[in-house]
Amino acid sequence: GQQVMQIPQYQHVQEGEDFTTYCNSSTTLSNIQWYKQRPGGHPVFLIQLVKSGEVKKQKRLTFQFGEAKKNSSLHITATQTTDVGTYFCAGLLGGKLIFGQGTELSVKP
Amino acid sequence: NAGVTQTPKFRVLKTGQSMTLLCAQDMNHEYMYWYRQDPGMGLRLIHYSVGEGTTAKGEVPDGYNVSRLKKQNFLLGLESAAPSQTSVYFCASSYGTRNQPQHFGDGTRLSIL
Repeated sequence: GQQVMQIPQYQHVQEGEDFTTYCNSSTTLSNIQWYKQRPGGHPVFLIQLVKSGEVKKQKRLTFQFGEAKKNSSLHITATQTTDVGTYFCAGLLGGKLIFGQGTELSVKP
Repeated sequence: NAGVTQTPKFRVLKTGQSMTLLCAQDMNHEYMYWYRQDPGMGLRLIHYSVGEGTTAKGEVPDGYNVSRLKKQNFLLGLESAAPSQTSVYFCASSYGTRNQPQHFGDGTRLSIL
């Protein structure tokens, strides 16, 4: 079964609002990666977190890795229409990268 | 650099037919992967390879076979296609270790009637 759970499945926001997606695992992850997939496109790597409690920023995107290395989040500040797409987390478990189900973000102008 | 190239981009098959999906990468990556993507399921690993001549099973390997005869190519075969295999298939590759970022191809949209 799915070992990396991601919520919510869908999120609709007004342009300018914030957005957060959460990723949870029942077991400790070696690291976590985040990918973005635009509609009709392929997943594109965004970032990797390795250390417990790590926080990384990319412009309006903030990525966090939990202290226990079992959860992670992606927060987007002041969404723009270019942020539309599906965001996936992927945790390294037993040497394999296990993807969450993804959160589909739509942004209304 | 083309990156990761998948062929074909679209295909419609009848139940019981066979076909091979081709993935080629020009980044000299050791690791290659095949995923399937279904609505609400994310990306599920079918098979992967850690180097030329090696293959291993992922989460959902049943009904698929793979081969990695050359480092740059990773083939996914469906011997007897079933409607449950209707999906979008993505190939990806990465450098030597499995915690490296994966680079994805554009995908193959496969429909089994």
